[in-house]
Amino acid sequence: QKEVEQDPGPLSVPEGAIVSLNCTYSNSAFQYFMWYRQYSRKGPELLMYTYSSGNKEDGRFTAQVDKSSKYISLFIRDSQPSDSATYLCAMGGPNTGNQFYFGTGTSLTVIP
Amino acid sequence: KAGVTQTPRYLIKTRGQQVTLSCSPISGHRSVSWYQQTPGQGLQFLFEYFSETQRNKGNFPGRFSGRQFSNSRSEMNVSTLELGDSALYLCASSLGGLLYNEQFFGPGTRLTVL
Repeated sequence: QKEVEQDPGPLSVPEGAIVSLNCTYSNSAFQYFMWYRQYSRKGPELLMYTYSSGNKEDGRFTAQVDKSSKYISLFIRDSQPSDSATYLCAMGGPNTGNQFYFGTGTSLTVIP
Repeated sequence: KAGVTQTPRYLIKTRGQQVTLSCSPISGHRSVSWYQQTPGQGLQFLFEYFSETQRNKGNFPGRFSGRQFSNSRSEMNVSTLELGDSALYLCASSLGGLLYNEQFFGPGTRLTVL
């Protein structure tokens, strides 16, 4: 079983829709949770960084962490064509080898 | 300020050959990490170097090795290439420890093994 599971999609939504992206994980020692966005032919860039459970909001993006269910989500409100990219979740902790474990990524297309 | 640069951007090799990839981190960043990205496995951590020392290592065979120079530039070497080594190799730099400092990724080197 992989440490982090992420539905690869692809996901296609109309402009203005609310997008929900999710990851599940198996290691309860994970404490730090991140979402990255990766455009074609580019490296990933950090979108959101959260510690432990709870919600974090930044503009149109909201990250949620539910440690009891080992489930994290990224919500994108009022999605724009410029949001079309692959979204990667990542997680780690001080007792998990000082590295981050990534999901395989979800490909999102926002149609104008 | 300049971002993370990786050279070359594209590389084609044949099985059995070896390859060296280069990464120049953001100025002032002392940590450089390497990742392999494939459609099936996603991003997988190879290793991290900090101040010329390998600090963390992922679960890859010994054919994958790296080093870091005094100016923080890093190289990754893959010997005896296999078809399964075809992937996007990403390097990321950060100020310090991976868990507490943002990683900035380069655009990657696309390696194709024939």
